[in-house]
Amino acid sequence: GQQVMQIPQYQHVQEGEDFTTYCNSSTTLSNIQWYKQRPGGHPVFLIQLVKSGEVKKQKRLTFQFGEAKKNSSLHITATQTTDVGTYFCASNDYKLSFGAGTTVTVRA
Amino acid sequence: DGGITQSPKYLFRKEGQNVTLSCEQNLNHDAMYWYRQDPGQGLRLIYYSQIVNDFQKGDIAEGYSVSREKKESFPLTVTSAQKNPTAFYLCASSMAGGKIHEQFFGPGTRLTVL
Repeated sequence: GQQVMQIPQYQHVQEGEDFTTYCNSSTTLSNIQWYKQRPGGHPVFLIQLVKSGEVKKQKRLTFQFGEAKKNSSLHITATQTTDVGTYFCASNDYKLSFGAGTTVTVRA
Repeated sequence: DGGITQSPKYLFRKEGQNVTLSCEQNLNHDAMYWYRQDPGQGLRLIYYSQIVNDFQKGDIAEGYSVSREKKESFPLTVTSAQKNPTAFYLCASSMAGGKIHEQFFGPGTRLTVL
């Protein structure tokens, strides 16, 4: 079953603003992966975090793994229309468990 | 050009018919996966295979069957026993082994059962 919960389910953002989406688990996770799915497309891998407290950046995207390895966040700064899509976190061994995703829409 | 292919992109079937969705990869990955995606529910794992001639049930395997006779291919059959088969089906592959690897997804097949 689903081991990770994502909030919010929907995020409506004004272009240029920042936002954060969260991924939470009741159990300790061995790793977190983040994927992005554009409308009508398929999920594409963004990043993987494995260490407690790990922070990784990809341009305007900042990914963080909690100290207790039970939560993760994705922060996007200066949102652009290209950021539209659904962001999924996924975890655990080779049998990935995906969160329900945060669907992001951008107001120009 | 390496990647994963799924065909067709759209598939229509009558209720009560079995249908097989294809998934082929030329990434030399040992592991392959099938997911089902419904609106608002993310991706749910149907079946996965870590090696040729071996596969395991995922979280929602009832009404589905798979085979893994070749490393490159992992077809999924949606049987008439699947109560609500209309969905978007995604195939993925990854390297296998003890380390966690990223998954590469195919473009998906949107199945509609009439």
